[in-house]
Amino acid sequence: NAGVTQTPKFRVLKTGQSMTLLCAQDMNHEYMYWYRQDPGMGLRLIHYSVGEGTTAKGEVPDGYNVSRLKKQNFLLGLESAAPSQTSVYFCASSPTGGRFNSPLHFGNGTRLTVT
Amino acid sequence: LAKTTQPISMDSYEGQEVNITCSHNNIATNDYITWYQQFPSQGPRFIIQGYKTKVTNEVASLFIPADRKSSTLSLPRVSLSDTAVYYCLVGDNRDDKIIFGKGTRLHILP
Repeated sequence: NAGVTQTPKFRVLKTGQSMTLLCAQDMNHEYMYWYRQDPGMGLRLIHYSVGEGTTAKGEVPDGYNVSRLKKQNFLLGLESAAPSQTSVYFCASSPTGGRFNSPLHFGNGTRLTVT
Repeated sequence: LAKTTQPISMDSYEGQEVNITCSHNNIATNDYITWYQQFPSQGPRFIIQGYKTKVTNEVASLFIPADRKSSTLSLPRVSLSDTAVYYCLVGDNRDDKIIFGKGTRLHILP
């Protein structure tokens, strides 16, 4: 099992460009999460999904959109990238989410730089 | 959501036992306490979870007093490879969000 796979691993964008980060999990988990991590800030929740076809806002959703068309995939989109979105992005999944205290399984991150 | 407070950083030496304490004064009756470990350039990984008293696994022990307002992660005989950031989270069975704080940066010295 691959677990949680994030693509790409690295990306450099110019201000105003768009891109999509892909997260794929092969554990049949219902819940998926996108976080960003900046130096000294810990992880901050951007958006999450409680099942196929659902999405919800986290702590810092502005400037991002998400889609969960298939259970195994959770896409994070940046429509018009800004330097403030330079960060490391982590995707995670869990069987039943925070409501039932199930642990998260994380990918290895995507390092995004916006110039 | 129950807020957690933990030290920003700690230093220790190889071979020592390290204890990291997390405060969660507003923990609710059904909330569990979960700890994650994050190495540089990797995503966090789950290490231990508990509800009360003591939980032990091959990586760590978790001590939770009767009032559950704090918890202590104990790492026995640490090595350089235990240098990482450790996050304490308190589950909220009223919410699907899983919120992380800033964690404790543990630095193990030779």
